[in-house]
Amino acid sequence: QKEVEQNSGPLSVPEGAIASLNCTYSDRGSQSFFWYRQYSGKSPELIMSIYSNGDKEDGRFTAQLNKASQYVSLLIRDSQPSDSATYLCAVRDAGGTSYGKLTFGQGTILTVHP
Amino acid sequence: KAGVTQTPRYLIKTRGQQVTLSCSPISGHRSVSWYQQTPGQGLQFLFEYFSETQRNKGNFPGRFSGRQFSNSRSEMNVSTLELGDSALYLCASSWGGEIQEFFGPGTRLTVL
Repeated sequence: QKEVEQNSGPLSVPEGAIASLNCTYSDRGSQSFFWYRQYSGKSPELIMSIYSNGDKEDGRFTAQLNKASQYVSLLIRDSQPSDSATYLCAVRDAGGTSYGKLTFGQGTILTVHP
Repeated sequence: KAGVTQTPRYLIKTRGQQVTLSCSPISGHRSVSWYQQTPGQGLQFLFEYFSETQRNKGNFPGRFSGRQFSNSRSEMNVSTLELGDSALYLCASSWGGEIQEFFGPGTRLTVL
């Protein structure tokens, strides 16, 4: 059973701080990694994708991938109350069985307090 | 560009009934995937369609089925509904099912 584990949370950070969200995955064949944000009552919204080892930055968001450690993280700099949401880590394998199939972690609830 | 649309947004059914949910992908996207989201199990993959063919399937019973039309629109059907089928059903579309996916707003199904 391929698994994706996220730090359980909930995570609470003050406004302006850095929020760090972590995710590990069990399948070494995993090739694509995504972070989704889901507000309460809404559907997941893609905020970052990363495919190779290292860092990828987009505005206040930085995704980090380490395939050797089977670890992917998301850093949110200058956290804002509007960042309060559930963050979902998703992983896709390589090969034919990967079509359309994302394996999700359980999510980490982030609260940014003023 | 319009996003993924799903209809209906809310449904209430009783046990034993069947239900059909619809999804229209982003224009130009040919892959449509379906997911079930529940508080206990999180987001779980149901199946994926590309060019009217099911290419991938998750671990759900045969009561869950789907299809895709030539315009890439997709439907999923759940027969003989059970209480445990109450969930948010999400549809996601992508170009070819191998890169990033974009989710629709979901259909909230309640089974009484």
